Amino acid sequence: EVQVVESGGGLVKPGGSLRLSCAASGFTVSNAWMSWVRQAPGKGLEWVGRIKPTTDGGTTDYAAPVEGRFTISRDDSKNTLYLQMNSLRTEDTAVYYCIKASAGLFDYWGQGTLVTVSS
Amino acid sequence: DIVMTQSPDSLAVSLGERATINCKSSQSVLYSSNNKNYLGWYQQKPGHPPKLLIYWASIRESGVPDRFSGSGSGTDFTLTISSLQAEDVAVYYCQQYYSSPLTFGGGTKVEI
Repeated sequence: EVQVVESGGGLVKPGGSLRLSCAASGFTVSNAWMSWVRQAPGKGLEWVGRIKPTTDGGTTDYAAPVEGRFTISRDDSKNTLYLQMNSLRTEDTAVYYCIKASAGLFDYWGQGTLVTVSS
Repeated sequence: DIVMTQSPDSLAVSLGERATINCKSSQSVLYSSNNKNYLGWYQQKPGHPPKLLIYWASIRESGVPDRFSGSGSGTDFTLTISSLQAEDVAVYYCQQYYSSPLTFGGGTKVEI
């Protein structure tokens, strides 16, 4: 069974950093398209970024609001995806979802982890 | 960037009646080489992550009831719930996966 479980959320001050983890089971992260999507409280869905499978180059791309501040990576030995978030802003407050995707289609979602950026 | 616009923002439908949600993209999401529309629909119930309902604009994900159907091509798409059930109360989102950045519509809240 495909499963992704996020962790690492919490309260952080503006300008701070946080790293989210996404533990995967039932599939191999290095062979999958993986994305992060976030949802601010009471708001809609916003794509954050993705990493392609190793066979497609393993490259990443990001949404403009997080480009240069957020980095997606993976640890193949742990079958885990990461989202490193730096220079956090109050507008980054959201539930962050890890997703196993089929290219750009989001077919397996985690339960999400809440990140709160506040002083 | 492709902007996805949904309408209405919310709608109230009686049990057993039809619900129709519209989604318009700012440019075509139809890929001519394979004649596929890169458009998906998701359902999000309160306190839960979104769930994929429809992909390629009209293909139901496995396990999705057949009262849900998707239609449209190019820039104009529709999600129809043919006979609304109580468990269909949720927010519905369309999403294009034609090009990066991947973008969602603003969501449509369906209530009884």
